[in-house]
Amino acid sequence: AQSVAQPEDQVNVAEGNPLTVKCTYSVSGNPYLFWYVQYPNRGLQFLLKYITGDNLVKGSYGFEAEFNKSQTSFHLKKPSALVSDSALYFCAVRVMLLEGSARQLTFGSGTQLTVLP
Amino acid sequence: DGGITQSPKYLFRKEGQNVTLSCEQNLNHDAMYWYRQDPGQGLRLIYYSQIVNDFQKGDIAEGYSVSREKKESFPLTVTSAQKNPTAFYLCASTTRGPSPQETQYFGPGTRLLVL
Repeated sequence: AQSVAQPEDQVNVAEGNPLTVKCTYSVSGNPYLFWYVQYPNRGLQFLLKYITGDNLVKGSYGFEAEFNKSQTSFHLKKPSALVSDSALYFCAVRVMLLEGSARQLTFGSGTQLTVLP
Repeated sequence: DGGITQSPKYLFRKEGQNVTLSCEQNLNHDAMYWYRQDPGQGLRLIYYSQIVNDFQKGDIAEGYSVSREKKESFPLTVTSAQKNPTAFYLCASTTRGPSPQETQYFGPGTRLLVL
């Protein structure tokens, strides 16, 4: 089985401060990890993904995420938050099965980020 | 939202009525997906299709049906058997699936409400 946890329903941060949105995962095998952002009444927009290689992944809009295998985490970060970053953020995981197929994406429950001016 | 369109943006369903949500993509993607989004629950997979004329149930397929007659189109029907259909429905696609590194791209969504 595979699962994703986003332990914080809500994160508030002041504009200009660094932000972190947390994600932990549980899989049997090597994980493929994704971050998406959703603005109100819109679809999900892809931010970044970890496949293999460098543990620090850079993505769209200045976001980055750090893969930590020992802590089974994939936290989303940004050095300086903008008010326009306020949105709902989803972490997702997919794992390759032994027989060569892959499971479908499993999403976390989402974290609402609010950046205060 | 890329090259994936969903219509209508809002849909109202009466008791006992079947309704169909449209999803079209011009990305030449092979695989398409339907998700349901409820507050605080993230996204849950309803159905997916990897090729034309083939589709598989996801985690919450009961009360829903799909078809995949064309590569570009993957409509979802919410049947009267779905007793709690009020949700935000999202369609997604990938170049092929379910290869693990493929990114899913999403449409803008359809909000279904029950009258």
